[in-house]
Amino acid sequence: NAGVMQNPRHLVRRRGQEARLRCSPMKGHSHVYWYRQLPEEGLKFMVYLQKENIIDESGMPKERFSAEFPKEGPSILRIQQVVRGDSAAYFCASSEGGNQPQHFGDGTRLSIL
Amino acid sequence: QKEVEQNSGPLSVPEGAIASLNCTYSDRGSQSFFWYRQYSGKSPELIMSIYSNGDKEDGRFTAQLNKASQYVSLLIRDSQPSDSATYLCASRNSGNTPLVFGKGTRLSVIA
Repeated sequence: NAGVMQNPRHLVRRRGQEARLRCSPMKGHSHVYWYRQLPEEGLKFMVYLQKENIIDESGMPKERFSAEFPKEGPSILRIQQVVRGDSAAYFCASSEGGNQPQHFGDGTRLSIL
Repeated sequence: QKEVEQNSGPLSVPEGAIASLNCTYSDRGSQSFFWYRQYSGKSPELIMSIYSNGDKEDGRFTAQLNKASQYVSLLIRDSQPSDSATYLCASRNSGNTPLVFGKGTRLSVIA
């Protein structure tokens, strides 16, 4: 019974490079949420997607960040031209929808050199 | 601005005691509330969910919700050193909306 799978667990990029973070939701879950966590901070919502649709991207910066959840394959969070301030833990959560709770993956720790 | 407030701690309790974690929220439209446990460097793990006023018990954990006071709490009975972690309180307006998290309370259970 696989949970939410995220990869890579750790990602190191130099300033100006692109970062791609992947998330496969739990089986049967069609709702995916991305959150960012800075050290000593709570999780901040970034974007909410269902298959092929972005439902709410109000927490995602307009520049350099994008997300998708294609019909086949994992959800991708893409950060272009990374800067030092992008260093954080990025968590993906999924749910069945309705009133069901969200379950989190192990996260991707992004470090920018 | 929707906010969830928690005391950052650390909250220190002796082994076997009751740990009481508190949380307040600003958005009266919040309908669902969740407690997650997060060990250092790990992912948040769902501990409890609560949707209606009153108490909800699950093993050593009891969640309490008071919507009139906009207050949520988590009690951990018979605290164990393995309960030492950061506890995140989260609220949600309706079924599919994103979670709003507090910054978490660090709990330390002393053996």
